[in-house]
Amino acid sequence: DSGVTQTPKHLITATGQRVTLRCSPRSGDLSVYWYQQSLDQGLQFLIQYYNGEERAKGNILERFSAQQFPDLHSELNLSSLELGDSALYFCASSPPTGGSSYTGELFFGEGSRLTVL
Amino acid sequence: TQLLEQSPQFLSIQEGENLTVYCNSSSVFSSLQWYRQEPGEGPVLLVTVVTGGEVKKLKRLTFQFGDARKDSSLHITAAQPGDTGLYLCGGGSNYKLTFGKGTLLTVNP
Repeated sequence: DSGVTQTPKHLITATGQRVTLRCSPRSGDLSVYWYQQSLDQGLQFLIQYYNGEERAKGNILERFSAQQFPDLHSELNLSSLELGDSALYFCASSPPTGGSSYTGELFFGEGSRLTVL
Repeated sequence: TQLLEQSPQFLSIQEGENLTVYCNSSSVFSSLQWYRQEPGEGPVLLVTVVTGGEVKKLKRLTFQFGDARKDSSLHITAAQPGDTGLYLCGGGSNYKLTFGKGTLLTVNP
């Protein structure tokens, strides 16, 4: 158990719909990362938040958005869903690294498996 | 865009064999991490290397970071079925950790 909690574990929805994935980081971790994992693309970095502020952005589509709340939990919102959005979505958290750009150890949740039909 | 290429993509070996997997990039990273992922779970960190030329050992696993901090290798000695999993390398830079597509290792008893 990594200490990172993701809900829901599985989600099946239809094209055009909107879903929200939720992540609670490990106690004491200020950073939250979102990744998308698919067979053809591998583990793709989407976005990172640090203590409520967006810190780094990756290949996140405009239809996707995220935020980190004052209690440090994070939500990833996926809208206008397409078949190609079917994937595993992982959240990870990491402890503070003293402001350095060095990325410390990431602790991953078990993921949310999204199926778009 | 920083890309990490891992090879081989798939590897199936017998218990007791040695193997090496590679992680290469044209970009320089401030750190490089290796993770192992098992089915139905998230990746778990094995090691972080920071200094060019650094070598770290974790029991039967040996990790090396290239002198120019652009590439890395993972060598497993006397592989065991418990080593089966997806091995991912991740390059750290500017608060991001970028992963390769991974090497799927199967160790047959």
